[in-house]
Amino acid sequence: ETGVTQTPRHLVMGMTNKKSLKCEQHLGHNAMYWYKQSAKKPLELMFVYSLEERVENNSVPSRFSPECPNSSHLFLHLHTLQPEDSALYLCASSQEPDGANVLTFGAGSRLTVL
Amino acid sequence: AQSVTQLGSHVSVSEGALVLLRCNYSSSVPPYLFWYVQYPNQGLQLLLKYTSAATLVKGINGFEAEFKKSETSFHLTKPSAHMSDAAEYFCAPSKLIFGTGTRLQVFP
Repeated sequence: ETGVTQTPRHLVMGMTNKKSLKCEQHLGHNAMYWYKQSAKKPLELMFVYSLEERVENNSVPSRFSPECPNSSHLFLHLHTLQPEDSALYLCASSQEPDGANVLTFGAGSRLTVL
Repeated sequence: AQSVTQLGSHVSVSEGALVLLRCNYSSSVPPYLFWYVQYPNQGLQLLLKYTSAATLVKGINGFEAEFKKSETSFHLTKPSAHMSDAAEYFCAPSKLIFGTGTRLQVFP
């Protein structure tokens, strides 16, 4: 495996379900990110972990709960979601603290909330 | 806070025509500017980045962008469009902020 891998690629869940998205990076990076991509909206940064500590949390609803057990793995735990949470969730990684270092993205997890 | 504006949510060109995708940054000069591309059913990948070392930046797949301080712009260009260039393109001043994106369609 190379780059950034996200599973599952597609997920359909009801509003009362609990599910998790998984991200794994094989690049030796020390920072990982969750972004939300909705139709007709800018890419939204949800969470940033640098050196396994959360350093950014853009007022995301508590029904989204991130977990970063080590520098290679990142999870997004989902519970009691709303239909408006349907979107493409993108994971990315980078090497910090150099701001010029670019993000490497996974292919995304397409979430549909019924 | 730094921000960018991408004019035109959709751009259509014929194959072989010039591609011009616009990006303007907010008044303060950013230390970095990035262009990312997203092909269907994929994540974003880097096209090119500006780091103040040079105002004309060359990227992958024949794309380039020129940083113009006087116009607060960092427009993306390609002399001759290819069908495989059809994708969505994002300008970003940092990892935290992205533009709204421009979808490029290429017609035969």
